Amino acid sequence: GAVVSQHPSRVICKSGTSVKIECRSLDFQATTMFWYRQFPKQSLMLMATSNEGSKATYEQGVEKDKFLINHASLTLSTLTVTSAHPEDSSFYICSARAGADSGNTIYFGEGSWLTVV
Amino acid sequence: AQSVTQLDSHVSVSEGTPVLLRCNYSSSYSPSLFWYVQHPNKGLQLLLKYTSAATLVKGINGFEAEFKKSETSFHLTKPSAHMSDAAEYFCVVSDRAGNNRKLIWGLGTSLAVNP
Repeated sequence: GAVVSQHPSRVICKSGTSVKIECRSLDFQATTMFWYRQFPKQSLMLMATSNEGSKATYEQGVEKDKFLINHASLTLSTLTVTSAHPEDSSFYICSARAGADSGNTIYFGEGSWLTVV
Repeated sequence: AQSVTQLDSHVSVSEGTPVLLRCNYSSSYSPSLFWYVQHPNKGLQLLLKYTSAATLVKGINGFEAEFKKSETSFHLTKPSAHMSDAAEYFCVVSDRAGNNRKLIWGLGTSLAVNP
């Protein structure tokens, strides 16, 4: 079946540095990808919707200059957390939507744990 | 606007007994509804989805859910719980705004299965 791969699965970075998380659809093309953040024991919070070849649409309250999203191809979207701080430590999950011929099904990556020290 | 309410934040059952995880939704459209499961330190897995076909939807691992429009509910059930079912479960409705169809997430129900 369709697979969405996230890399890295775990990353530790120093406060003030930037870290990039990749989201790849491995066997389908995804015109739309979504980035979520999940705090411990809470639901997923949609951060932004990423459309290939255009600027991402950010949800209210999400800083677009801090969370840079690039959707450069139909199989890759990246989330860059810039000038990371400890409060950015979280579980980040991406999802990708397959095309109409696959029922527009949304598939999720396994998530990336970010720890900022 | 669409919204999802999971009525129980935590459910505890004994192994071999039935599971009921409750979900109510509101939607201005004919909704698509989903249940996802998240095991500890794992990603999300789709259990089942309703997309305006049969109202009783069967999913993986013996789970099923029934779409009841009159009650605006989409409760998840399983006849007999297994220890491996212990996880976080999310009820989700699809927002059909524009073409993006964002997913609106419930807050989750933590299922504990006791031996």
